[in-house]
Amino acid sequence: DAKTTQPNSMESNEEEPVHLPCNHSTISGTDYIHWYRQLPSQGPEYVIHGLTSNVNNRMASLAIAEDRKSSTLILHRATLRDAAVYYCILRERGTSYDKVIFGPGTSLSVIP
Amino acid sequence: ETGVTQTPRHLVMGMTNKKSLKCEQHLGHNAMYWYKQSAKKPLELMFVYSLEERVENNSVPSRFSPECPNSSHLFLHLHTLQPEDSALYLCASSPDPDPSTDTQYFGPGTRLTVL
Repeated sequence: DAKTTQPNSMESNEEEPVHLPCNHSTISGTDYIHWYRQLPSQGPEYVIHGLTSNVNNRMASLAIAEDRKSSTLILHRATLRDAAVYYCILRERGTSYDKVIFGPGTSLSVIP
Repeated sequence: ETGVTQTPRHLVMGMTNKKSLKCEQHLGHNAMYWYKQSAKKPLELMFVYSLEERVENNSVPSRFSPECPNSSHLFLHLHTLQPEDSALYLCASSPDPDPSTDTQYFGPGTRLTVL
């Protein structure tokens, strides 16, 4: 199963951009890259997903390396509300749900 | 507002009790999920329902019994639990059960403590 690795924790200053890396060197051609985040005392929240091309939405941008072995979630301007655990997961079309594996994620701290 | 509600938010039960967790989604989604999140551990998928049919059971002990009476409601019935079952139980729903593209919407979770 394709797995992801992320740094355990990162810090950012408020109002500055944040780049959260994710390595997925065993990714297959049909794996989608999904990002979720979990704020303290809440359930996870969908952030963004993509396959090959970079993606933008109102929450963040997803930059996918050309070889797809890594990706970066970009928060353009960190706020205190962005302090959360960020999960990068791979989801393969046509596979069963037990292939969806959440890792420990990256705990992001935002400094005022 | 996520559109997915869970009750109760907190539950304390003894090992011989029987209780149920309830999840309701107001998003018109076709798939619903139960996850378990133990302290300092990643989320673990427990059950998946698509159009009210169970499509995945991730080798969960029989003391956890899910029920999906309709596409808006999901229950997790608990009986004779163990202290190690204490965790945050999260419900989620998604519009499309395709694992590659669906986006899941999570509820706030039920914090369960088994004494």
